[in-house]
Amino acid sequence: DSGVTQTPKHLITATGQRVTLRCSPRSGDLSVYWYQQSLDQGLQFLIQYYNGEERAKGNILERFSAQQFPDLHSELNLSSLELGDSALYFCASSVGGLGVGTDTQYFGPGTRLTVL
Amino acid sequence: EDQVTQSPEALRLQEGESSSLNCSYTVSGLRGLFWYRQDPGKGPEFLFTLYSAGEEKEKERLKATLTKKESFLHITAPKPEDSATYLCAVQARGSYIPTFGRGTSLIVHP
Repeated sequence: DSGVTQTPKHLITATGQRVTLRCSPRSGDLSVYWYQQSLDQGLQFLIQYYNGEERAKGNILERFSAQQFPDLHSELNLSSLELGDSALYFCASSVGGLGVGTDTQYFGPGTRLTVL
Repeated sequence: EDQVTQSPEALRLQEGESSSLNCSYTVSGLRGLFWYRQDPGKGPEFLFTLYSAGEEKEKERLKATLTKKESFLHITAPKPEDSATYLCAVQARGSYIPTFGRGTSLIVHP
């Protein structure tokens, strides 16, 4: 158990809908990262938050957005869903500082999104 | 652009048959190289972080080593429970985000 929690575990929805994925980081970690993993793409970085502020952005679609709240939990919002958005979505957390060992990311169990 | 190439893509071993997985990387100044283990449908599980060439780390049957161009994950006398996909990632200095390889899928037969 990494200490990172994600809900829900599974999500089945229809095209055009909007969903929200939730992540709680490990105690003491300030950074939260979101990744998408599909069979043909591998692990793709979406976005990072550090202590409530957006810190880095990857290949995140405009239909996707995220935020990190004062209690450090994070939510990833996916809207106007398409069939191709079906994937595993992982949240990871790290201390996020500058010192050695602060970048190591610990992953949650993931949310499996199926868009029908 | 940072690049990570893992080989082989897939590896089948007999129980007890030692082998190595390779992670070749190109990065503009290495901040850290990470190894993860991922079971099907689950999140990657952290194994090791290596920071500089010559560094080695061990955990049970796994040993990770690092040179300036590649990292090896050596598996000694593997067991079926070592079957998983092993992911390598590199993070450049000044970057907050690691670049992941596609992974090596390892199957250990009893």
